[in-house]
Amino acid sequence: EAGVAQSPRYKIIEKRQSVAFWCNPISGHATLYWYQQILGQGPKLLIQFQNNGVVDDSQLPKDRFSAERLKGVDSTLKIQPAKLEDSAVYLCASSLGVGGTSPLHFGNGTRLTVT
Amino acid sequence: AQKITQTQPGMFVQEKEAVTLDCTYDTSDPSYGLFWYKQPSSGEMIFLIYQGSYDQQNATEGRYSLNFQKARKSANLVISASQLGDSAMYFCAMTPGGYQKVTFGTGTKLQVIP
Repeated sequence: EAGVAQSPRYKIIEKRQSVAFWCNPISGHATLYWYQQILGQGPKLLIQFQNNGVVDDSQLPKDRFSAERLKGVDSTLKIQPAKLEDSAVYLCASSLGVGGTSPLHFGNGTRLTVT
Repeated sequence: AQKITQTQPGMFVQEKEAVTLDCTYDTSDPSYGLFWYKQPSSGEMIFLIYQGSYDQQNATEGRYSLNFQKARKSANLVISASQLGDSAMYFCAMTPGGYQKVTFGTGTKLQVIP
C-alpha cells in the first residue's frame, strides 16, 4: 500500500511569511494527525482529525496555525505568520483505527526553516 | 493526563549485543496502548512494536521485544543482536484506551558500534 505522502519536503521562509503543508494519508485511514518535532525533541501533537472532524487541537497555536481535512482525506496545515520558533519538522501521520490500538503511519515530514 | 518518560538521552551498544531502552509511563486510564517507534537520521518514523495494557504476554516482533511491567508502569524495548542499521532515535509512545491520542516521549538516541 502507498504510504503517507507529504509535501514539500523542505521549506525555507522568512519570519512573518506564510506557509502551507500538504498531507495525503493512507487510503482508508480515518484518523489523521499533524505533529511538530523540534530538533532533539519528541513529536508534539498539533491537531488530530477523525474523518473530517477535529478530535483534538488543544496544542495548536490557533492565532497562527490552522488546519483542515478536505472530505475526510487530504489535509493542509498552514502557518501565518511564521515565527522563528516554528522552525521544526512537521510530521503527518494516519491510522486505521480509533481505539488506541492502531499504530501511526508517518510521512517523511516537511522540514521548515524560518529565518 | 498521560506522561511518557525516557530517561536515557543516548545509548551505545556493541554490534550483535542486546540493548534495553527504558520507558516509563503514567496514566490514570485502566486501558491503554504502548508503542515504540524508530526514527533514523533520514527522519521518517517507523512503527516497531505495540503492547496493550490487558495483553498477558510481552509483545515481540522479530528482534524487538517489549518488556512490559504493568505494576511498575514500564515498557522497555529490548533489541537483540544489534545491527549497525539500528542506530537511530527511539521513541516510546502511549494512547489512552478508547481514544487514539498518542503522546510521545523525548526519545533515546542509540548508536551501534562495530
